[in-house]
Amino acid sequence: EAQVTQNPRYLITVTGKKLTVTCSQNMNHEYMSWYRQDPGLGLRQIYYSMNVEVTDKGDVPEGYKVSRKEKRNFPLILESPSPNQTSLYFCASSPSHSRTEAFFGQGTRLTVV
Amino acid sequence: GENVEQHPSTLSVQEGDSAVIKCTYSDSASNYFPWYKQELGKRPQLIIDIRSNVGEKKDQRIAVTLNKTAKHFSLHITETQPEDSAVYFCAATPSGGYQKVTFGTGTKLQVIP
Repeated sequence: EAQVTQNPRYLITVTGKKLTVTCSQNMNHEYMSWYRQDPGLGLRQIYYSMNVEVTDKGDVPEGYKVSRKEKRNFPLILESPSPNQTSLYFCASSPSHSRTEAFFGQGTRLTVV
Repeated sequence: GENVEQHPSTLSVQEGDSAVIKCTYSDSASNYFPWYKQELGKRPQLIIDIRSNVGEKKDQRIAVTLNKTAKHFSLHITETQPEDSAVYFCAATPSGGYQKVTFGTGTKLQVIP
């Protein structure tokens, strides 16, 4: 089954404790992205990757890091989480050809206290 | 960068009526405009899209129109049904794919039986 898998689904952590949210896709897609979803703000792109070892900032990259060492994986790293990073996070992947669907993961609900 | 504004933020309609959601964008380079539906607690999923060389596209009860000159595009849902209740997001991309993509802030549609 074609899918994008994120882990964990839910996470409560404390300010400053490094964490990683994993994202894996089995569709051999070139493009992968991370978004955060906040009430009233919609989906905002954090980082995106066009292929292995190629990443770039989206609209809200501050406080986040990503890496793309393998085509299927695109982890999101919060080196020192803060309460304003409490949000619902989605990973998505899509093929490189244009005008196609982005497949979203099931989401990760992160709370930073 | 691109700025996408979406209106209204909430919309209630009676079952069987039509619903219209409007988005405007700022970057004239944007050339691909997808619409996503997100049901409560679920991931966003593509419902329809349009590219900049097309003025209108229809898929059963859903249609999207694009006015490149005015930089706005709209989602039209006819004969609404309770299962249409969800949050709808518009988006704009300058490249035709999902590298750099900007989403609107979302419209919560409630269809009243």
